[in-house]
Amino acid sequence: IAGITQAPTSQILAAGRRMTLRCTQDMRHNAMYWYRQDLGLGLRLIHYSNTAGTTGKGEVPDGYSVSRANTDDFPLTLASAVPSQTSVYFCASGQGGADTQYFGPGTRLTVL
Amino acid sequence: GQNIDQPTEMTATEGAIVQINCTYQTSGFNGLFWYQQHAGEAPTFLSYNVLDGLEEKGRFSSFLSRSKGYSYLLLKELQMKDSASYLCAVTDSNYQLIWGAGTKLIIKP
Repeated sequence: IAGITQAPTSQILAAGRRMTLRCTQDMRHNAMYWYRQDLGLGLRLIHYSNTAGTTGKGEVPDGYSVSRANTDDFPLTLASAVPSQTSVYFCASGQGGADTQYFGPGTRLTVL
Repeated sequence: GQNIDQPTEMTATEGAIVQINCTYQTSGFNGLFWYQQHAGEAPTFLSYNVLDGLEEKGRFSSFLSRSKGYSYLLLKELQMKDSASYLCAVTDSNYQLIWGAGTKLIIKP
């Protein structure tokens, strides 16, 4: 692994289904982030983690949950998907604070 | 509320110079980032400004005026590969990044 990876690359999901988006980084970054990107809007922060074992809510956390069991992994779970969660999801990592954030390739999710 | 404004779309000619402006109103300021995002790809880091003035990095330069809540990204000697969206983002007092919607730059031959 080099950098930050996400899986799956894309997914079509029926409304009401549970889905976990995976994110893994090998840069030993303390902080990790989940964003969603929708046409015409800026990136919006869903959840973040400043260090392993801690998580926090971003601007649009409703309907999403995260965990940070170790430094490398930061999965995002949609408990019961709804069509408004159709979006491109980016995971990012960095050292935290005002440090640069580095992005994974994204997951394109469609909820029908 | 917190707000980042940048033009939705700009068009420029290959070989020319273009300036993309960004104005911001945030609760606190701990730095301003510019990212480049090609269609269908992830944002990639271009520049970071925390003090007033100009930061130059090859063909790209970024300027910041904290008193005016203003930044610009200057791209020189434009190439077709510079066609992309350019995202302005500000780190607020809670060290969270507030993002603009991005400026789509179209380069014409």
